[in-house]
Amino acid sequence: AQSVSQHNHHVILSEAASLELGCNYSYGGTVNLFWYVQYPGQHLQLLLKYFSGDPLVKGIKGFEAEFIKSKFSFNLRKPSVQWSDTAEYFCAVNGGSNYKLTFGKGTLLTVNP
Amino acid sequence: DTAVSQTPKYLVTQMGNDKSIKCEQNLGHDTMYWYKQDSKKFLKIMFSYNNKELIINETVPNRFSPKSPDKAHLNLHINSLELGDSAVYFCASSQDGGGHGYTFGSGTRLTVV
Repeated sequence: AQSVSQHNHHVILSEAASLELGCNYSYGGTVNLFWYVQYPGQHLQLLLKYFSGDPLVKGIKGFEAEFIKSKFSFNLRKPSVQWSDTAEYFCAVNGGSNYKLTFGKGTLLTVNP
Repeated sequence: DTAVSQTPKYLVTQMGNDKSIKCEQNLGHDTMYWYKQDSKKFLKIMFSYNNKELIINETVPNRFSPKSPDKAHLNLHINSLELGDSAVYFCASSQDGGGHGYTFGSGTRLTVV
């Protein structure tokens, strides 16, 4: 079975601080990895995804993530956060295109102006 | 054009009632899903359908019955609503098993009183 663990429940930063949100997954085969963002009261929006190739993936709004296979990790990073990045962030795994996307429990990011 | 659209956006109903949520996607995807997001923001898959056939049923109570009249529609009917059914329900679609990403609808906030 596939699973996802997000280490931080709530992260509070000031504007211009750097961000790293941890994500570890568990699955025995080929994985597809995703980060989604959910702004308050809104639906899920895809930030970035990894299928294969370059383990450093760049997404929208200046976000990037690095897939480290040996650590089963897919951490999300942003060099300088803005107040508008305040949202819930979800890491998700799809194992071998198996019709199932499993989410982590989410990390609430609060950016103070 | 909205890629994945759900109706209604909000639904308030009394315990014991029966209600339906509709979902339509215009992306040409062949797989559709229902996810439930609880009050702690945890997202859990309920069902997935591929070309109108049920692929995944994640031990959801029998009171929940999905129906897919064609691959562009996946409706969710809930019988005998309970307080614990209060949540946000998200519809999503993908091509194949989801290895290339999912597109989510804007959600239906169900409140059972």
